[in-house]
Amino acid sequence: GAVVSQHPSRVICKSGTSVKIECRSLDFQATTMFWYRQFPKQSLMLMATSNEGSKATYEQGVEKDKFLINHASLTLSTLTVTSAHPEDSSFYICSAREGGTSYEQYFGPGTRLTVT
Amino acid sequence: AQSVTQPDIHITVSEGASLELRCNYSYGATPYLFWYVQSPGQGLQLLLKYFSGDTLVQGIKGFEAEFKRSQSSFNLRKPSVHWSDAAEYFCAVGRRGDYKLSFGAGTTVTVRA
Repeated sequence: GAVVSQHPSRVICKSGTSVKIECRSLDFQATTMFWYRQFPKQSLMLMATSNEGSKATYEQGVEKDKFLINHASLTLSTLTVTSAHPEDSSFYICSAREGGTSYEQYFGPGTRLTVT
Repeated sequence: AQSVTQPDIHITVSEGASLELRCNYSYGATPYLFWYVQSPGQGLQLLLKYFSGDTLVQGIKGFEAEFKRSQSSFNLRKPSVHWSDAAEYFCAVGRRGDYKLSFGAGTTVTVRA
């Protein structure tokens, strides 16, 4: 149980275009989803927290207009990188939390974004 | 604010030898603590967690961790490593209320034959 999927696993896009990454909780309802960014050989940096049906909360320094997050249902959150540039190339990982008082997050397999 | 320190960037261990990964945290209240493992190009898999109770926690794949409040530590151990244990290991502390996790920088484990 507690499986989180991400799609696509890899994406290459041209500079200036937008790309959408989906995060789905397959066998549970996710009250909260988190989006992380991970640079090579580094730790995970929390970008934003999204709760179903409400606006995402972004961490300091993360551009909310560049990284659009939508949590439209209890099983789906999307991250759209708008007007992507090469510096947005990274490994993006989502996680999901069931809700209540649970602190456990279930992580997706990640999406490798390359902007050319 | 909470923070996590993993002092060892890289550890090399022989197959069959024991492994210990260090984790120190800074948090003003009782912490929620986690260890995750990440294989190259993959997401994170939870090894074990500590919320309360017994300070020695058993996890998957033969791992265990011990919470020591006096030392603000949550070190991960495995008595005998397998080649498949080669991966990146992250310690994380959970913040009460907003459920966010703060991760340490990670420790890369290399297993030699």
